[in-house]
Amino acid sequence: SQKIEQNSEALNIQEGKTATLTCNYTNYSPAYLQWYRQDPGRGPVFLLLIRENEKEKRKERLKVTFDTTLKQSLFHITASQPADSATYLCALENQAGTALIFGKGTTLSVSS
Amino acid sequence: DTGVSQDPRHKITKRGQNVTFRCDPISEHNRLYWYRQTLGQGPEFLTYFQNEAQLEKSRLLSDRFSAERPKGSFSTLEIQRTEQGDSAMYLCASSQDQSFGELFFGEGSRLTVL
Repeated sequence: SQKIEQNSEALNIQEGKTATLTCNYTNYSPAYLQWYRQDPGRGPVFLLLIRENEKEKRKERLKVTFDTTLKQSLFHITASQPADSATYLCALENQAGTALIFGKGTTLSVSS
Repeated sequence: DTGVSQDPRHKITKRGQNVTFRCDPISEHNRLYWYRQTLGQGPEFLTYFQNEAQLEKSRLLSDRFSAERPKGSFSTLEIQRTEQGDSAMYLCASSQDQSFGELFFGEGSRLTVL
């Protein structure tokens, strides 16, 4: 069955370091992959979408890579700040193209 | 604010009661989605509408759940005979694209079933 796995439920890093979050998927051949940020008690907020023919995409301090051979996406936050502390979710369209499916998320804590 | 709005934000009910949640999407968006989220989990897909047509329903959506989107505008999600396992955050999202592009989420409706 189709599965999305995000590495470790929690990631703790120091301010200024680069945070790297992983999203692995199985039994998918997605045309694109999305990343969202979610703060406690709030709805997810879209960050980036990367297509299968794009190896890398950047937005300010964010960088996403998409390796369709490894079936993996990496999400990087450079020069991390305490304000980056949140849960980050990856999302893929399911094989049938009938729904957008989310991973469990990785909670990032950036300490000053 | 012209974002996605959901009402009510919080609902506490007793087991066996019916509850209804409303979602008003961004006005020019033709796709509307409902998700459910429990603590420590990602959003779980429930259903989505393209205009007024309900195009997909998850197996999570039991017979006690029904969603409507009359006239392709706002949507309602009704849960009949609530159970404690229905306690969750119910999230609504909308999008403009024909495929699953960027989703705009509301702040959610938190349901607590006692």
